[in-house]
Amino acid sequence: EPEVTQTPSHQVTQMGQEVILRCVPISNHLYFYWYRQILGQKVEFLVSFYNNEISEKSEIFDDQFSVERPDGSNFTLKIRSTKLEDSAMYFCASRDNQGTTEAFFGQGTRLTVV
Amino acid sequence: QKEVEQDPGPLSVPEGAIVSLNCTYSNSAFQYFMWYRQYSRKGPELLMYTYSSGNKEDGRFTAQVDKSSKYISLFIRDSQPSDSATYLCAMIDMDSNYQLIWGAGTKLIIKP
Repeated sequence: EPEVTQTPSHQVTQMGQEVILRCVPISNHLYFYWYRQILGQKVEFLVSFYNNEISEKSEIFDDQFSVERPDGSNFTLKIRSTKLEDSAMYFCASRDNQGTTEAFFGQGTRLTVV
Repeated sequence: QKEVEQDPGPLSVPEGAIVSLNCTYSNSAFQYFMWYRQYSRKGPELLMYTYSSGNKEDGRFTAQVDKSSKYISLFIRDSQPSDSATYLCAMIDMDSNYQLIWGAGTKLIIKP
């Protein structure tokens, strides 16, 4: 069964460092998303991506964040200068077309900023 | 403010019991209603989705939507210890590129 894969599963970084979280969406999917879940809190939408550009982003997704689809298979989330409050589980999701409701999620990357 | 409310629990029930999980929402424009299951340290896994009002059944799971009350439910029959997880409701915001608006998730514990 096709699945969304994310690497690494756990990333520990020092405050102020840059991190790149990687996702490989399902191969024929067209819409890509990043969500995050701070421990004990709701899953929060960060950004959606379609046709090689951001289609929607939340207030959380400020200038410290960027996304890229560098090679047609990977979908990355970069945090330029991490803060303690960026510590969370980050989930990547993909969907095949606008009319399909099912979004497939990866297992998540646990980011710990120390 | 588009919002989805869900009691975080935990909800603890004995094995074999019928479980009822619920969410309320404020935006009457939501049309797709989803239930996800999330095991510890894993990504959310889609269980069921319902379009508009009505019921949908899949094995031991039944999803119910009451748009007039802005209330959705997930029922689990003959609950098993393996059903122990966090259950999240989510709704699709079609005005914002189909992003999911999430409830807080209810932690469910099924005691053997």
